[in-house]
Amino acid sequence: AQSVTQLGSHVSVSEGALVLLRCNYSSSVPPYLFWYVQYPNQGLQLLLKYTSAATLVKGINGFEAEFKKSETSFHLTKPSAHMRDAAEYFCAVSEGFGNQFYFGTGTSLTVIP
Amino acid sequence: DSGVTQTPKHLITATGQRVTLRCSPRSGDLSVYWYQQSLDQGLQFLIQYYNGEERAKGNILERFSAQQFPDLHSELNLSSLELGDSALYFCASSADENIQYFGAGTRLSVL
Repeated sequence: AQSVTQLGSHVSVSEGALVLLRCNYSSSVPPYLFWYVQYPNQGLQLLLKYTSAATLVKGINGFEAEFKKSETSFHLTKPSAHMRDAAEYFCAVSEGFGNQFYFGTGTSLTVIP
Repeated sequence: DSGVTQTPKHLITATGQRVTLRCSPRSGDLSVYWYQQSLDQGLQFLIQYYNGEERAKGNILERFSAQQFPDLHSELNLSSLELGDSALYFCASSADENIQYFGAGTRLSVL
């Protein structure tokens, strides 16, 4: 069975500081991994996706994530937080096309001016 | 704009009633997924359809049902509504690149 654990339901950073949102997964097969962002009153939007190519994945809005198989992790980072990054972030895992996505419980990011 | 359209955006109804939520997937996407998002439960997977057939079932109550039509749009039917059913309901669609594209959601308020 697959599952996703997001450590920290709330993360606060100062504007300009490093953003680090943690995601650990469990999967019996090589996984597809995703980060989605949800702004207030909106649907989820794909930030980035890992599909067994490069382990460092670059996404939109300056975010990137590194797949570490040995740690079963897929943490999301951004070097410098911006006020517009304040949102809910979800990590998800899938076994492949047509299969169910398993979402984490989400991390709410607050950016302090 | 994700290309996934959900209607209505807001729905207010009373306990015991029945409602239908509609989802139009991106053009050509064969898979449709339904999710429920509430403050206490987070994002919960309800059900998935692929080209008209049920593909996977998650935490969907027996009072809820869904279907996907030949034109690939999908409907989620919620009946005997309870206060606890108040939530955001999202639809997502995907094609063979295995990315789910989410609609803007339907906010259901049960009074």
